Amino acid sequence: DQQVKQNSPSLSVQEGRISILNCDYTNSMFDYFLWYKKYPAEGPTFLISISSIKDKNEDGRFTVFLNKSAKHLSLHIVPSQPGDSAVYFCAAYEIQGAQKLVFGQGTRLTINP
Amino acid sequence: DTGVSQNPRHKITKRGQNVTFRCDPISEHNRLYWYRQTLGQGPEFLTYFQNEAQLEKSRLLSDRFSAERPKGSFSTLEIQRTEQGDSAMYLCASSLEALTGMGSPLHFGNGTRLTVT
Repeated sequence: DQQVKQNSPSLSVQEGRISILNCDYTNSMFDYFLWYKKYPAEGPTFLISISSIKDKNEDGRFTVFLNKSAKHLSLHIVPSQPGDSAVYFCAAYEIQGAQKLVFGQGTRLTINP
Repeated sequence: DTGVSQNPRHKITKRGQNVTFRCDPISEHNRLYWYRQTLGQGPEFLTYFQNEAQLEKSRLLSDRFSAERPKGSFSTLEIQRTEQGDSAMYLCASSLEALTGMGSPLHFGNGTRLTVT
């Protein structure tokens, strides 16, 4: 049962343009959402998060949008830079529930010069 | 903050052998998690500790898997009688406290890549 889904295994974007990564979830009890970034041979590193009481959170070039009614979140990166090329994982958990992050399958983002 | 450290980085073993991995979390972190990641998938939860107490185990963790955190600091994950399906990246993560919806909850190590031949 895949509770967090990233349906695009890969995405290619030109440098300077906007990258949009999408994530869907099925568990309505999730109330905190995160994006992690992973380079080859390294562990995932935290990028940005959002609580279910918000619909947008921004940190520099990164913005996460949450649409609770659609059970959908997205990560926008603008402008995209070559160093953004990595695998991006969406994750979620229940603050008052199971104390574990549930991850999506990941999306490999490639930024082309 | 030296980060989460995992050893070894790579392990190649023959089917049927036992293997043990070690994780050293960030020193003041109370929570320690083990995840497994296979190719093309996201990390899958295996188990977690609050100090030395193991609070949850995934059904993915068969009887061949055992994890310990004897003094509430480092942790070990042992796999007995390894099978080819155990080949994966085993990730350890730690957090200062419970997942409360604030900030960055988990800091991951670089993982141990296990290959079972």
